[in-house]
Amino acid sequence: DVQLVESGGGLVQPGGSLRLSCAASGFTFSRYWMAWVRQAPGKGLEWVANIEPDGREEYYVDSLKGRFSISRDNAKNSLFLQLNSLRVDDTAVYYCVRDDESWGYWGQGTLVTVSS
Amino acid sequence: EIVLTQSPDTLSLSPGERATLSCRASQSVSSRSLAWYQQKTGRTPRLLIYGASSRATGIPDRFSGSGSGTDFTLTISRLEPEDFAVYYCLQYRTSPYNFGQGTKLEIK
Repeated sequence: DVQLVESGGGLVQPGGSLRLSCAASGFTFSRYWMAWVRQAPGKGLEWVANIEPDGREEYYVDSLKGRFSISRDNAKNSLFLQLNSLRVDDTAVYYCVRDDESWGYWGQGTLVTVSS
Repeated sequence: EIVLTQSPDTLSLSPGERATLSCRASQSVSSRSLAWYQQKTGRTPRLLIYGASSRATGIPDRFSGSGSGTDFTLTISRLEPEDFAVYYCLQYRTSPYNFGQGTKLEIK
């Protein structure tokens, strides 16, 4: 079975950094695009970024370019999201998603709280 | 950038009624890359429909998707109590991908 398990969330002060991880299993990770989606408390879903199978192409929502960085380690079946210069409005649950023809495989999410 | 606008923002219906949710794109979207999700409070979004009209595994046949170009529809033929939730559409063909703002389906 496909499994995506996020980790790395937590409480961070404004201006701080976090690195989120997503451990993938149950499929050939190196063959798939992967993505991050976030959801602020009480708000809608927001696509954040995606990355192609070999990691050479990355795309971001315009509002986050320069602060967030997506990467992957195919040898470790892992996806990452580096969050820098965090702001209070980056507080959200961050989901890892397999970016395929159906967009049906999501992790359970990891909560990032930005607060002083 | 393709912007998705869902309507209505809130839909108030009773169990047993038919629900029709709309997702309109600012430019043409590939039908192969339009999905619908259901989300309940505190839960991960659940895929209902992908490719505009294909039901995901385990989704009851009262859920159906249709549309092409810029206009897409999610129909729930007869509402069950567990169907009251928030619904989102997503286009995943052209980066940046985008979700609609959501439609809240509430019990009347």
